[in-house]
Amino acid sequence: QVQLVQSGAEVKKPGASVKVSCKASGYTFTSYGISWVRQAPGQGLEWMGWISAYNGNTNYAQKLQGRVTMTTDTSTSTAYMELRSLRSDDTAVYYCARDSSIAVADLDYWGQGTLVTVSS
Amino acid sequence: EIVLTQSPGTLSLSPGERATLSCRASQSVSSSYLAWYQQKPGQAPRLLIYGASSRATGIPDRFSGSGSGTDFTLTISRLEPEDFAVYYCQQYGSSPAFGPGTKVDIK
Repeated sequence: QVQLVQSGAEVKKPGASVKVSCKASGYTFTSYGISWVRQAPGQGLEWMGWISAYNGNTNYAQKLQGRVTMTTDTSTSTAYMELRSLRSDDTAVYYCARDSSIAVADLDYWGQGTLVTVSS
Repeated sequence: EIVLTQSPGTLSLSPGERATLSCRASQSVSSSYLAWYQQKPGQAPRLLIYGASSRATGIPDRFSGSGSGTDFTLTISRLEPEDFAVYYCQQYGSSPAFGPGTKVDIK
């Protein structure tokens, strides 16, 4: 069965960086994309970006350009999302999700979420 | 950039009633690249509908999606207790984005 298992909660200071991992299993990793979505406390969903697990192509949300980097390690079927220059409004639950195709698509499987808290 | 608007913000209904949720896009959504998700407190979202009207695997047939262009609708024909949740639409054409959500709560 398809599973996406994310790394644990993080607490970071403003200005620091965070790197969240998402280990996939139960499917051919390189045949799909991975998107990252975040949700601030009590707020809605925000699409952060997408990476092709086939060739590493990326598409980032404009507001995060320059602060976010998404990568994959095909040898371990793991996707990573790094966010730099953290601010308090980056406090959120971060989700990885599988795109239903190799391109940007609907998100058919989701990780359990990783809470990132940014606080001095 | 396509902006999605969802209405109403909150829908208060009783079990057994019909729920009609609206999602409107600021520009036409190409090839009906429109999805609907359900989210319950403390849980990750769950895909309900993709391609505007196709049910995802394992989704009961009381959930249906319709629409094209800029106007889309999610209908729950008869609300079950487990359907009370927040529902988000998402366009996944250019620069994917989510709508702000509609909360369906118990009247």
